[in-house]
Amino acid sequence: AQSVTQPDIHITVSEGASLELRCNYSYGATPYLFWYVQSPGQGLQLLLKYFSGDTLVQGIKGFEAEFKRSQSSFNLRKPSVHWSDAAEYFCAVAGNGNQFYFGTGTSLTVIP
Amino acid sequence: DAGVIQSPRHEVTEMGQEVTLRCKPISGHDYLFWYRQTMMRGLELLIYFNNNVPIDDSGMPEDRFSAKMPNASFSTLKIQPSEPRDSAVYFCATQGWRSSSYNEQFFGPGTRLTVL
Repeated sequence: AQSVTQPDIHITVSEGASLELRCNYSYGATPYLFWYVQSPGQGLQLLLKYFSGDTLVQGIKGFEAEFKRSQSSFNLRKPSVHWSDAAEYFCAVAGNGNQFYFGTGTSLTVIP
Repeated sequence: DAGVIQSPRHEVTEMGQEVTLRCKPISGHDYLFWYRQTMMRGLELLIYFNNNVPIDDSGMPEDRFSAKMPNASFSTLKIQPSEPRDSAVYFCATQGWRSSSYNEQFFGPGTRLTVL
């Protein structure tokens, strides 16, 4: 069965520091992978997605993620975090393309 | 396009009352999903529709919950009777296989439900 694990419930980083949010998935075939961001009181916004091809995908707001099949991972990265990046981040996997399975989310705090 | 529209944005009701949440999908999207988000359980898929037909309602917690999609432009999620444990944020999301954003789900702003 498909599933997503986000091992870090909460991460705190300093503004300007680099960021990596972990995501591990379980799926038998090639998955469709997504990262969403949720700001307080808002819905989820897509940051980036991976379907096939280049394993390093670029998204909005300076985020990128790398698909590593051997590790069943799809970690999200940003070289320099801004205070406005403080939010909840969700990784998701879609098997047959329509039903998504979301991780439990990672809450990011950015300190000045 | 205005995106996925949900109403109301906030709802406060008393236990036992009927609650109806509404969703207007993005025009042309043929999949519609209802999610519930709580601190304890995270983001849960309740039900989803394809071309107005319910495909999988296995996430609907119990018979008090029902969802309909009478046409391509409108869906409702109803809770009757409501209970305090139903307090959560309910999201509607839509997806269009024939759109340029193939396979991406677009989320509405959510309805924050509080049952007293």
